[in-house]
Amino acid sequence: AAGVIQSPRHLIKEKRETATLKCYPIPRHDTVYWYQQGPGQDPQFLISFYEKMQSDKGSIPDRFSAQQFSDYHSELNMSSLELGDSALYFCASSLTVGAYGYTFGSGTRLTVV
Amino acid sequence: AQKITQTQPGMFVQEKEAVTLDCTYDTSDPSYGLFWYKQPSSGEMIFLIYQGSYDQQNATEGRYSLNFQKARKSANLVISASQLGDSAMYFCAMREGGSQGNLIFGKGTKLSVKP
Repeated sequence: AAGVIQSPRHLIKEKRETATLKCYPIPRHDTVYWYQQGPGQDPQFLISFYEKMQSDKGSIPDRFSAQQFSDYHSELNMSSLELGDSALYFCASSLTVGAYGYTFGSGTRLTVV
Repeated sequence: AQKITQTQPGMFVQEKEAVTLDCTYDTSDPSYGLFWYKQPSSGEMIFLIYQGSYDQQNATEGRYSLNFQKARKSANLVISASQLGDSAMYFCAMREGGSQGNLIFGKGTKLSVKP
């Protein structure tokens, strides 16, 4: 079965650079979520999209933005990177009607040096 | 206040024995869902089991069962017949309200299975 695809798997950036993370949800899933998990921390919700519209916002810094495109893939754009942005970034997708599950991608490990 | 509390930062269990990982939650929403995820050292987040707030019976999935005590607001995960491959971080999470809601995670419990 198709899973949630995230790219890249690993990314190394320098401070003040920008990064773009991509997420391809499971086909026909209508909601995409982004989470940030710092080292030794629990995942923190950043932002979500339902049918390509932003549906909820969590603790996403102003330096970050995200969008969902017509083909349902989503991108998380991160600018002016800081050392503290080093984390595992997860994308998850779900189908809101008749289901309860969230499927997570394998994550993108971002290291800011 | 913490929405999801996992009081055991680390647990040890002998191979083939059962183990219970604790989780308590806090919500005033009558409709919510409770989830358990496993995160091995490789980092991926693996769904284990789900319990809806209106479900009458405790959820079970293979060796995993959820001990749901609604009045006590607890949703403990029971792993039977532990295997070495069960060594991982385990997160309890909650979704409040409708099915579009995001997950709120606990701090996690690191389970180590001893041979």
